[in-house]
Amino acid sequence: EVQLVQSGAEVKKPGESLKISCKGSGYSFTSYWIGWVRQMPGKGLEWMGIIYPGDSDTRYSPSFQGQVTISADKSISTAYLQWSSLKASDTAMYYCARLTGTFRGGTFDYWGQGTLVTVSS
Amino acid sequence: QSALTQPRSVSGSPGQSVTISCTGTSSDVGGYSFVTWYQQHSGKAPKLMIYDVSKRPSGVPDRFSGSKSGNTASLTISGLQGEDEADYYCCSYGGTNINWVFGGGTKLTVL
Repeated sequence: EVQLVQSGAEVKKPGESLKISCKGSGYSFTSYWIGWVRQMPGKGLEWMGIIYPGDSDTRYSPSFQGQVTISADKSISTAYLQWSSLKASDTAMYYCARLTGTFRGGTFDYWGQGTLVTVSS
Repeated sequence: QSALTQPRSVSGSPGQSVTISCTGTSSDVGGYSFVTWYQQHSGKAPKLMIYDVSKRPSGVPDRFSGSKSGNTASLTISGLQGEDEADYYCCSYGGTNINWVFGGGTKLTVL
């Protein structure tokens, strides 16, 4: 069974750093891209970027380029999303999702349960 | 890249059919067959309902169907049931610069 299990909720202060995780199981982690999606409170879904754990090839949405860093550790089947300096506007639910396809097209078929990030002073 | 355009809300009675539209451009919906639809119940992660415009994953009832005409994709839910009440999001591939773009979401209310 394909599963993506994300790390728990976080409460941070503006300016702090943060790294959240997404652990894949039940499939070949290095053979599928993993994407990250943001959902701000009461709002819709926004695609942030994707990474191919096999070689760490990473693509970012122009809206998130330079704002976050996506990485992966294939030895432990885990992808990461990190911030170096959080802002209140980063408060959101963040989902990871497996991409069946490539960066040239495909479907996010399996999703993690989400990680709620709250940034408040 | 602007989000794809969906109606904010739709509604229908049990047993009826509803259709949710998703309008993009020739650079996304109209240019590729990678249109997907997700169902999201309150407080839950999105669930894949339709992929590649009209394909249904295993386990998704055949009451759900997808189509596309030009720059507009559509999700039709027939035989509405109370459990269908949720938010629905379309998503399209938008090329190697943008990659993926989502619609703003449609709230389906089953009356």
